[in-house]
Amino acid sequence: GENVEQHPSTLSVQEGDSAVIKCTYSDSASNYFPWYKQELGKRPQLIIDIRSNVGEKKDQRIAVTLNKTAKHFSLHITETQPEDSAVYFCAASIRGNKLVFGAGTILRVKS
Amino acid sequence: GAVVSQHPSWVICKSGTSVKIECRSLDFQATTMFWYRQFPKQSLMLMATSNEGSKATYEQGVEKDKFLINHASLTLSTLTVTSAHPEDSSFYICSARDISLTDTQYFGPGTRLTVL
Repeated sequence: GENVEQHPSTLSVQEGDSAVIKCTYSDSASNYFPWYKQELGKRPQLIIDIRSNVGEKKDQRIAVTLNKTAKHFSLHITETQPEDSAVYFCAASIRGNKLVFGAGTILRVKS
Repeated sequence: GAVVSQHPSWVICKSGTSVKIECRSLDFQATTMFWYRQFPKQSLMLMATSNEGSKATYEQGVEKDKFLINHASLTLSTLTVTSAHPEDSSFYICSARDISLTDTQYFGPGTRLTVL
């Protein structure tokens, strides 16, 4: 089955700097890749997603890139703010089916 | 739009009792709902996929007789933890897939279960 690896496990950046989180997946049939942000004790919130027919997607300070050949995708957050501090999870699925999550990245933005 | 609710938000029960958790999609129809378990500082682990009108599909290692899932309508799925034990204490989160948006899953707020 699908396996998703996520790095780094923790990431500390200075406010205003960029943050990059990387994920790799194993099943070449996966074609949907969402990113979720989870604050302590709260539900995961979808922040951006990308489908396999697109190589890059951007939404304000957040962008995701996908390399299907290498089977990896990355989350980029620019101009980080303290409120960006949270746990970020990547996931992969075969269209409409179950999501397989990465282990998560704790992002700390220091002001 | 795309709101998913869960009830209760937290529950404390005695060992050996059963607990039912409800997951509702409030403003969309969900043919498929998913149940996850999340231990502290860990990722979300899928327990089962709940399909409206049919039996749930359980992940390997998840006991279907212990975690009973019912998806009776397009807006409601329930998870019942039977004969709960302290090791079942966890954060249980459901998600629902909007049938009009084939991929996107929206998560409920989660239920914190503590078994004494």
